[in-house]
Amino acid sequence: GQQLNQSPQSMFIQEGEDVSMNCTSSSIFNTWLWYKQEPGEGPVLLIALYKAGELTSNGRLTAQFGITRKDSFLNISASIPSDVGIYFCAGRNYGGSQGNLIFGKGTKLSVKP
Amino acid sequence: EAGVTQSPTHLIKTRGQQATLRCSPISGHTSVYWYQQALGLGLQFLLWYDEGEERNRGNFPPRFSGRQFPNYSSELNVNALELEDSALYLCASSSSFQGFFGPGTRLTVT
Repeated sequence: GQQLNQSPQSMFIQEGEDVSMNCTSSSIFNTWLWYKQEPGEGPVLLIALYKAGELTSNGRLTAQFGITRKDSFLNISASIPSDVGIYFCAGRNYGGSQGNLIFGKGTKLSVKP
Repeated sequence: EAGVTQSPTHLIKTRGQQATLRCSPISGHTSVYWYQQALGLGLQFLLWYDEGEERNRGNFPPRFSGRQFPNYSSELNVNALELEDSALYLCASSSSFQGFFGPGTRLTVT
C-alpha cells in the first residue's frame, strides 16, 4: 500500500529559527495536506495543495507540492513558541482504490524561547 | 459552519468491555475517517466510510468495526477491549479535497 515518509521525526530549535520538514511517497498523490496537532486536540488543517509545483503560503508557513507529485515540504519561518506541536503531512489519491488520507508519522517540533 | 464533533470526550472502560465512539461530520461531507493515535505516536488509519459504506479499513483486528448512518454520522465500536486500545480516537470528515478533524475521544482501558 501507499506509504508516506515524513522527516525529521522531531526538531528542537531556538525561537526565531526557520524550520523545514518534508514528506515523500512511494507513489503519486493528487492532493497534499499539512496539519498541526497540539496536545490533546485533533489535527488542524494548515495548508492544502492541489497541483504539482504549487507553492502556497499561510502566514509564516509555506508548503510546496513537488513536481513529481511524490513529495511535499513545509517551511516555517521565524519560529515562535506557539509553533510547538506535531506536524503531519497527508496525501490523497483519487485514482486508486484508496481514497483515504494517507498520513506521515509526524514531525514533533519543540521551540526554545 | 459547525466543525466535526465527537462524543464522548473521554471514555473509561475495563478490559473485555465494549466501547462505542461517535462522530458527526461537517454538514455536506459524506466521507468519514477514523484514526487511532496512541500516546506519542502517529495516526494509524482504522476505517473509511463514504456514502454509508465501508470503503477501506486499516490493519486492525475485526473487533474494531463501525458504521455510517444515512445522515453520514458514524460510529466506531471496539469489542473485547484490551489495554493497548487506550488511545486518542480521531474522526475526520472530508469533502472532495480536504479533511477536517474532530477533537477526538480519549479512550482509557484499565
